[in-house]
Amino acid sequence: NAGVTQTPKFQVLKTGQSMTLQCAQDMNHEYMSWYRQDPGMGLRLIHYSVGAGITDQGEVPNGYNVSRSTTEDFPLRLLSAAPSQTSVYFCASSYRGGSYEQYFGPGTRLTVT
Amino acid sequence: RKEVEQDPGPFNVPEGATVAFNCTYSNSASQSFFWYRQDCRKEPKLLMSVYSSGNEDGRFTAQLNRASQYISLLIRDSKLSDSATYLCVVNSKTSYDKVIFGPGTSLSVIP
Repeated sequence: NAGVTQTPKFQVLKTGQSMTLQCAQDMNHEYMSWYRQDPGMGLRLIHYSVGAGITDQGEVPNGYNVSRSTTEDFPLRLLSAAPSQTSVYFCASSYRGGSYEQYFGPGTRLTVT
Repeated sequence: RKEVEQDPGPFNVPEGATVAFNCTYSNSASQSFFWYRQDCRKEPKLLMSVYSSGNEDGRFTAQLNRASQYISLLIRDSKLSDSATYLCVVNSKTSYDKVIFGPGTSLSVIP
């Protein structure tokens, strides 16, 4: 099993550009989530999904969109990149939800200039 | 107020020391609690779940006090390999199922 995979590993965007961060898992996990991590601030929840077709907002959803059309994939879209979105983005999945161990991908390091 | 708060750290301790981390959470409806470990520039990984009765895993002991909304992690006989950031994690069920991370406490174990 590959576990949770994220692409790309690194990305540089200009202000105003849009892009999609990819996340996939091969463990048949129902629950998937996106976090951003900034120095000194820990991981902050952006969006999460409890199953295909069901998503909800986390702590910091503004400027990001998600959809979950399959169990395996949970892409994160940046609509119009801003320097404040420079961060490390982690995708995670778990078997049934928040009561279970979260498995993380290796992260995407995004810089917006 | 943040939903999950931790000791700001950093903690610098000698090998063999005992160190304790504290965490508080604000949502009294929270149901599940965890400690994760994160090494520098790596993804977080589960260290241990925290149960109401308290639980131990080798040198690590976790305690939960629901009345005070407080979680702790005790590390005994610290090793150099324990150097990492420790993240307190709370599962807060609202309409669905949010997993909220605290800001983390950094530990450096010094030879």
